[in-house]
Amino acid sequence: GQNIDQPTEMTATEGAIVQINCTYQTSGFNGLFWYQQHAGEAPTFLSYNVLDGLEEKGRFSSFLSRSKGYSYLLLKELQMKDSASYLCAYTGGGNKLTFGTGTQLKVEL
Amino acid sequence: NAGVTQTPKFRILKIGQSMTLQCTQDMNHNYMYWYRQDPGMGLKLIYYSVGAGITDKGEVPNGYNVSRSTTEDFPLRLELAAPSQTSVYFCASSILAGGRTDTQYFGPGTRLTVL
Repeated sequence: GQNIDQPTEMTATEGAIVQINCTYQTSGFNGLFWYQQHAGEAPTFLSYNVLDGLEEKGRFSSFLSRSKGYSYLLLKELQMKDSASYLCAYTGGGNKLTFGTGTQLKVEL
Repeated sequence: NAGVTQTPKFRILKIGQSMTLQCTQDMNHNYMYWYRQDPGMGLKLIYYSVGAGITDKGEVPNGYNVSRSTTEDFPLRLELAAPSQTSVYFCASSILAGGRTDTQYFGPGTRLTVL
């Protein structure tokens, strides 16, 4: 079964802050990735966490708690162009990623 | 650098036909991957390769074959296409195992329809 879970859809307002959660279960863990995927396009890398805590990169931040099997992606000052699917994925070693089904974010005026 | 390139962008196949999806990367990455993405679903790993001459099955390998004769190229072969293989196929590459170097870079995808 699916051992990585994230909400299917979220809606937020331009200029606001949104948090997209991701939970996972795995016996081996080497890091957690977030990718952004616009409709009809390839996924592009956003962030990587391997240690607990918050990684900040401009308007985007990503948090990891390994003991809880939990991560979130925080998007600040939302813009219309942030409307996309956000995929979380963990690596359990061997360089293979296990992806969640993605969270479709819609940013409205 | 062009990064990861894929051809064709779109293809329609009839049931039972075969085809090869091409993938090339110019980043000298060791690892290459093939995924499929069905509507509203995450990426499912079909096959991957850790270097030239070495390939291994992923989560959904049935109906597909791969080869890796060079570092740059990783073609995906569909034999006897079936409607269940209608999907978007992404090729990706990464440099090495371990840490941030696990970051995978994706090609633009091939949209395949089997009728």
